[in-house]
Parts: sequence; structure tokens; C-alpha cells
Amino acid sequence: NAGVTQTPKFQVLKTGQSMTLQCAQDMNHNSMYWYRQDPGMGLRLIYYSASEGTTDKGEVPNGYNVSRLNKREFSLRLESAAPSQTSVYFCASRLAGRGNTQYFGPGTRLTVL
Amino acid sequence: AQSVAQPEDQVNVAEGNPLTVKCTYSVSGNPYLFWYVQYPNRGLQFLLKYITGDNLVKGSYGFEAEFNKSQTSFHLKKPSALVSDSALYFCAVRDRGNNNDMRFGAGTRLTVKP
Repeated sequence: NAGVTQTPKFQVLKTGQSMTLQCAQDMNHNSMYWYRQDPGMGLRLIYYSASEGTTDKGEVPNGYNVSRLNKREFSLRLESAAPSQTSVYFCASRLAGRGNTQYFGPGTRLTVL
Repeated sequence: AQSVAQPEDQVNVAEGNPLTVKCTYSVSGNPYLFWYVQYPNRGLQFLLKYITGDNLVKGSYGFEAEFNKSQTSFHLKKPSALVSDSALYFCAVRDRGNNNDMRFGAGTRLTVKP
């Protein structure tokens, strides 16, 4: 049981390049989330998918798109990367139900030059 | 929207001493409250949560937290700190009315010195 996995672990992009961050979970969770972590700011929610087939904006969605490919997989796409998107990105998942815990992946460290 | 404040960027304690990491929250309704720990270059690991019931919640690695509704606080505590407890700690809150919008504090770096 791998939990939540993310690829790649590290990525360096030039401004304007695009890329997709991949996330998968094997816990049969309904809901999945993408966060970014910046120093001194904690984690901020970018997008989430409450269930397969649905996606919704979080606190900081600008510059990102997401796809809930199936129940297991939830990808985050940067269409035209900007230096302000340099961050550590975390995927998380949760079983539906009030109060249930979110479980996090190991993160992707992205640098945009 | 809900929010979390962790008033201390850094907490230093000696090994064997008790530790407290502070958290206060703001939410329109009743909260779900969580503590996570992050070790260097790792993801967040769940420590404990308050959902309902007993205000004192016990979690992993000997940590506990007390929900105080009147003070809107959820401080993390441990009776005897270990050097291996040194890490970054995050408090998070979720409004029961919106089960998908979890807000995190900025984090508190705990350093336990031998």
C-alpha cells in the first residue's frame, strides 16, 4: 500500500514552459487535493476534486488546471510556468465523510527560472 | 473563510522538557482541527485531530492537543520532548460546512536540543 505517490520529485522549468504533475493514490479515496507550500505561508489549496468527475477551485487556482483522470489519479498542469509558481507541490487524498483525515504525498519541488 | 494562526515561527526546548506548539483558529461554524508534522524533504504526516467529544485528543508519538472552544485554540503538547521531535508542525482547520476547504497555519519549527 503505497498511499499517495507523486511524480516527478524535482523539476526545473524555464518561464513559459508547461508541465504536468502527477498524483495517484491507492487507498480508494474519493477526494483529492493539490496544495502548494511556500516558506512562511503554510499550505494553500490550489484545486480539489471531491469525487471522480468533479473539480473545484481552491484558494490559489490562477495559472493552474487539473484533471481527475479516474478515481486514483489527479494531475496538476501548469500551461505557462512563471517564477511565482516556484514552490513545493503536495497532493493529498481523503475518504469522503465528515472529519476524515487528508493524507499527503511526498511532494514535488518545482523551480521556474 | 476559516483561518489558522500559529503565533510562533520557532520553538526551542531541551530534551526531556515539556513542549507546547500554539494554534488558534477562526471559523464561522464548528471546526475540525488537525495537526501535521513535516520532516525535512518529506510530505506532511498526520499526528492527531479533533472532531467531536473529549476536548483532549491523543495522537501519534506521544503528542496530544486540547480543543478550547472559548479561546478558539488547539495547542499541541508533549510531556517530554525528544531530539527526534525536531520538525515543522502545522495546525489546520476545516469548517464542518465545507469539508474540502482546509486551511493551514504558517507552521512552527520545533527544535529540541540534547
